[in-house]
Amino acid sequence: QITLKESGPTLVKPTQTLTLTCTFSGFSLSTSAVGVGWIRQPPGKALEWLALIYWNDDKHYSPSLKSRLTITKDTSKNQVVLTMTNMDPVDTATFYCAHATLYYYDGSGYSHVLDYWGQGTLVTVSS
Amino acid sequence: QSALTQPASVSGSPGQSITISCTGTSSDVGGYNYVSWYQQHPGKAPKLMIYDVSNRPSGVSHRFSGSKSGNTASLTISGLQAEDEADYYCSSYTSSTRVFGTGTKVTVL
Repeated sequence: QITLKESGPTLVKPTQTLTLTCTFSGFSLSTSAVGVGWIRQPPGKALEWLALIYWNDDKHYSPSLKSRLTITKDTSKNQVVLTMTNMDPVDTATFYCAHATLYYYDGSGYSHVLDYWGQGTLVTVSS
Repeated sequence: QSALTQPASVSGSPGQSITISCTGTSSDVGGYNYVSWYQQHPGKAPKLMIYDVSNRPSGVSHRFSGSKSGNTASLTISGLQAEDEADYYCSSYTSSTRVFGTGTKVTVL
């Protein structure tokens, strides 16, 4: 059974760096064709794909947020960490992590489906 | 990388069928057969309902089906039930990343 859970601060101040941890079970990030991604959703708004890390440590980021995001993994702890710098009130959102099943490599990356999601964690940016 | 376009709302009576459209470009929806659909109830995490345009994960009702034509993908819910009332999001693979749709609120009248 695959489960994921996000953890981190519920409140950050503008300009601060947000660090979120995704702790998962039921799979290993050392297994090929597996990844973990991050997605956010501002209150009342749509989902936004942020980043994805593969089992082989390859990383991909949203082009619009690439300069602010870093995704890393700790395979021994079954954790994936997302950092987002220079937080702003417009970054207030629920952040989700999700298991990704990877399949076809098209030269730029693996196509993937986000098939199991964590419950999400709400992060508010306010002074 | 712009969000895929979905109608803001769709409604139907119990037992009816409804279809939600998801329009992108040749760089996302039209370029790959990797469209997914998610159902999200208020305060809950999204749930995968359709992947690779028309495949249902284990446990998802056969009342949910997906298709694609050109740059537009569609999700059809047949035999609409009260429990289907939720927000629905499409998502397409696009060059190592994914893009989500604007979301559609489905109301069961």
